[in-house]
Amino acid sequence: AQKITQTQPGMFVQEKEAVTLDCTYDTSDPSYGLFWYKQPSSGEMIFLIYQGSYDQQNATEGRYSLNFQKARKSANLVISASQLGDSAMYFCAMRERSLTNAGGTSYGKLTFGQGTILTVHP
Amino acid sequence: NAGVTQTPKFRILKIGQSMTLQCTQDMNHNYMYWYRQDPGMGLKLIYYSVGAGITDKGEVPNGYNVSRSTTEDFPLRLELAAPSQTSVYFCASSYRGFGQFGSPLHFGNGTRLTVT
Repeated sequence: AQKITQTQPGMFVQEKEAVTLDCTYDTSDPSYGLFWYKQPSSGEMIFLIYQGSYDQQNATEGRYSLNFQKARKSANLVISASQLGDSAMYFCAMRERSLTNAGGTSYGKLTFGQGTILTVHP
Repeated sequence: NAGVTQTPKFRILKIGQSMTLQCTQDMNHNYMYWYRQDPGMGLKLIYYSVGAGITDKGEVPNGYNVSRSTTEDFPLRLELAAPSQTSVYFCASSYRGFGQFGSPLHFGNGTRLTVT
């Protein structure tokens, strides 16, 4: 089963408007973390925002906010006042606990979704 | 501050050849990762490491090997390269801190590998 699902292969938005990029996740562990990354056409991965499973409030970072609905297992990214430079691929990712082959517990494993290509029109 | 450094940036291999992708980080991060990204797709985890001497398989480990002898270095070895391994490879690292889930990954700039 997919751990992270991004159902929108591509999204279009007009400059200065808001856009929501969808992300649903699947885990039975009550402890996890959710991330959004941006990948411009140049290829680098840029961290945008983080939400912990126990965080009471939705995360915000400048024009980015995360609409976290725990019961629905969704973590949608909202970009307000879109800019031309926001055109990029956006990835949702989840970090959860896992057992290492050394017998311990790690919080290292981070799984990505398929991504959504956002195009901002002038 | 260099962050995560990957070498080489580009490489063309013939089928059956082997190579090592190098990755080093200078942030004293515990966790290190190797991902591959096929065109237009998301990142798939190949291997990860939670510290020196400890490595674990990700989603797509077949055809690859890793080692972590130091905190700084996490090389990825391709044995007997196949066309299916044509991809962009990203190395990343993160800190294992107090907020265990909250430390973001810092990525290298990627290695574009073509196997022909």
